[in-house]
Amino acid sequence: DGGITQSPKYLFRKEGQNVTLSCEQNLNHDAMYWYRQDPGQGLRLIYYSQIVNDFQKGDIAEGYSVSREKKESFPLTVTSAQKNPTAFYLCASRWLGAGNTIYFGEGSWLTVV
Amino acid sequence: DQQVKQNSPSLSVQEGRISILNCDYTNSMFDYFLWYKKYPAEGPTFLISISSIKDKNEDGRFTVFLNKSAKHLSLHIVPSQPGDSAVYFCAASHKTNAGGTSYGKLTFGQGTILTVHP
Repeated sequence: DGGITQSPKYLFRKEGQNVTLSCEQNLNHDAMYWYRQDPGQGLRLIYYSQIVNDFQKGDIAEGYSVSREKKESFPLTVTSAQKNPTAFYLCASRWLGAGNTIYFGEGSWLTVV
Repeated sequence: DQQVKQNSPSLSVQEGRISILNCDYTNSMFDYFLWYKKYPAEGPTFLISISSIKDKNEDGRFTVFLNKSAKHLSLHIVPSQPGDSAVYFCAASHKTNAGGTSYGKLTFGQGTILTVHP
């Protein structure tokens, strides 16, 4: 089945630890995105990548890092520098050819304990 | 600076009636608009989109209207069904290159919680 797979679905992190959220897509999409959703708020863009080995900061990139070594994969690392990491994280992707619809994965819940 | 705003945090509608969700934007460069539906703890799913060259796009029970002069779009759901109960996000984007063939990142509104009562 084609789609976007995020793992893990639920993750608990201790204060001061880095954690990495996985995102894999087999849709042959060029661009990939990481968004964050907090209760009562919209989706805010963390990082995005339009081609392999290139990525750009979104609106709230501080405390996060990404890599894009393969077209299919766009992992997000939440570092200890992120002051308020507890949130629902969404990975998305799209084809750059036409239109602008992005497709989302199922999301990952990160809780700092 | 909130470039895309959904000023109604929630909307409650009776089954069979029309649901109207509203969205306003401030960036005049936006030329492509989308609506997404989201259930709790799931990723958003794409519903319908509209390009700025149109003022209406229809897909089954869903219709999106765009008023460029007012920088306003709305999503109409007719008739509303209990399964439509979810959070609805509007999103906007604009071209990133001179050729207009590649679009940039999406900017989302805060979302509106729609509840359809049986």
